[in-house]
Amino acid sequence: DVKVTQSSRYLVKRTGEKVFLECVQDMDHENMFWYRQDPGLGLRLIYFSYDVKMKEKGDIPEGYSVSREKKERFSLILESASTNQTSMYLCASSLLGGGETQYFGPGTRLLVL
Amino acid sequence: GQQLNQSPQSMFIQEGEDVSMNCTSSSIFNTWLWYKQDPGEGPVLLIALYKAGELTSNGRLTAQFGITRKDSFLNISASIPSDVGIYFCAGQLYSGAGSYQLTFGKGTKLSVIP
Repeated sequence: DVKVTQSSRYLVKRTGEKVFLECVQDMDHENMFWYRQDPGLGLRLIYFSYDVKMKEKGDIPEGYSVSREKKERFSLILESASTNQTSMYLCASSLLGGGETQYFGPGTRLLVL
Repeated sequence: GQQLNQSPQSMFIQEGEDVSMNCTSSSIFNTWLWYKQDPGEGPVLLIALYKAGELTSNGRLTAQFGITRKDSFLNISASIPSDVGIYFCAGQLYSGAGSYQLTFGKGTKLSVIP
């Protein structure tokens, strides 16, 4: 079974703090994705990566950065957390190729005070 | 970008009833996916559809990839309390950058009354 793990299930941070969200997948997937999920807005893509050290902006990259130093690990960084970044953050991975589906981690619920 | 319209937004049904939800798009997709998300968890893949017209079942779940490639539906037969959750459709289109981005519907929240 594909396993995608996220470093924290719940996180509370203060405005202005630097926040790291870690995601690890164990299936040798090339693609990795970070989404945020908010009520009424569904899932929105923040960043994705299709190879080590490669990254592409998604629909809402502002206020975020990412790091992909190893194939299995994709980190989301909030350089200076703000209250409007309070959300559920979901990581996903998929194989590079035709029609491969994305597999999600359990999510990190981040509260920024 | 692409937009996916998923309906209904929410449903309250009696245990044992059948459920139907659908997604429509203004764009053509190569793949349609259906996920279920339990409260506080990440989405879990239920069914993946790869060809126009394809009808696929997974237990009590049945999904179809519309012939126009712009729509898909998910049916759940004989609902049970553990079917409660949010169901998402997602369309997948080759982006030309070596990766496959997903466009998600906003979800259908299903409540089952025992």
